[in-house]
Amino acid sequence: GENVEQHPSTLSVQEGDSAVIKCTYSDSASNYFPWYKQELGKRPQLIIDIRSNVGEKKDQRIAVTLNKTAKHFSLHITETQPEDSAVYFCAASSFRRRNRDDKIIFGKGTRLHILP
Amino acid sequence: NAGVTQTPKFRILKIGQSMTLQCAQDMNHNYMYWYRQDPGMGLKLIYYSVGAGITDKGEVPNGYNVSRSTTEDFPLRLELAAPSQTSVYFCASGEQGYEQFFGPGTRLTVL
Repeated sequence: GENVEQHPSTLSVQEGDSAVIKCTYSDSASNYFPWYKQELGKRPQLIIDIRSNVGEKKDQRIAVTLNKTAKHFSLHITETQPEDSAVYFCAASSFRRRNRDDKIIFGKGTRLHILP
Repeated sequence: NAGVTQTPKFRILKIGQSMTLQCAQDMNHNYMYWYRQDPGMGLKLIYYSVGAGITDKGEVPNGYNVSRSTTEDFPLRLELAAPSQTSVYFCASGEQGYEQFFGPGTRLTVL
């Protein structure tokens, strides 16, 4: 079945350095790739997303890249700050307008620690 | 807009009891989802719905039931609670291919 692999499971970086989290997906029909951030004790919230017709997207210190041929996408956080400490989830989905086969598959998450 | 609301926030159940977790959204989304998140773990899909009257099983449906009689509401029913159902339950809504909005979660403990 469809699967999303996320690596690493834990990542520690010095404050100010960059962090990279990588995901691979198996369903070639996937065309929407969101990233969610979950702070301790809170709900997941979308931080950035990318669609299959785009190779890269940036929003201030956060960027996502997509390689459809290799079926992988990555989250890049530059100039990390203490408030970036959280769990990050990648996801992959395909959509065909209320098709019951449409699903969103989440990766298992990466716990990011920003070290002072 | 309230977004996605869930009740209750916390609940302790005894083994064998039953309960319904409520979820409502006011964004007129067609898609709704129920996830469980065990401590330190990822999100596991329990059930989902692509519209009123339609529900489908996710990855871990055993021990749960859902209904979707209206666009707004998507309750999750636990029958005969077991300790393995101790978890945080998140409801979410959205449109496929767009952001999912999560509720604040229900923390359930089964003793």
